[in-house]
Amino acid sequence: RKEVEQDPGPFNVPEGATVAFNCTYSNSASQSFFWYRQDCRKEPKLLMSVYSSGNEDGRFTAQLNRASQYISLLIRDSKLSDSATYLCVVTLNAGKSTFGDGTTLTVKP
Amino acid sequence: DTEVTQTPKHLVMGMTNKKSLKCEQHMGHRAMYWYKQKAKKPPELMFVYSYEKLSINESVPSRFSPECPNSSLLNLHLHALQPEDSALYLCASSQDVSTDTQYFGPGTRLTVL
Repeated sequence: RKEVEQDPGPFNVPEGATVAFNCTYSNSASQSFFWYRQDCRKEPKLLMSVYSSGNEDGRFTAQLNRASQYISLLIRDSKLSDSATYLCVVTLNAGKSTFGDGTTLTVKP
Repeated sequence: DTEVTQTPKHLVMGMTNKKSLKCEQHMGHRAMYWYKQKAKKPPELMFVYSYEKLSINESVPSRFSPECPNSSLLNLHLHALQPEDSALYLCASSQDVSTDTQYFGPGTRLTVL
């Protein structure tokens, strides 16, 4: 079993749609959780940290369920500029981070 | 300044060459990382430095040799690479290795002929 598993995608949605990505992790000792976004041929950029209490940043909402070892990202009112690959990242202590395989989102006009 | 810089942007080298990748950050971060990313795959952790000491080596072949000359700089020395080592090499830094957000540089796209 992979340490971090994401929805395989790709997701193709129209502008204005709501889309949700899911991610599960296998190591219950994992301590930090993030969503990164990566555009084609660019570096990953932090989108959001993920907390058990959930957090929201504009159109983006991230949630963590430690009991189920599950992380989610919800994007509301999708924009063309949201098209990218979304990477779930899980970190143990000491900086050991594992990336999910990524889910590609294409938002179409 | 939340920038991590990497040089060169692109590198083409033969299997007998020796080259180095460089990474720099001036955010006062004490943890720095090297990742390798192949096309259509996620980044894979190679090395972690914490307070200028190597703390994680993810069983990387010895033809990759990291070096941390000071708290702002991280190098990756390359020698006798194979064509399958062609990839995007990403450097990242974070405040420390505990649970902090990692900030990535733009990467060096390496081609081994």
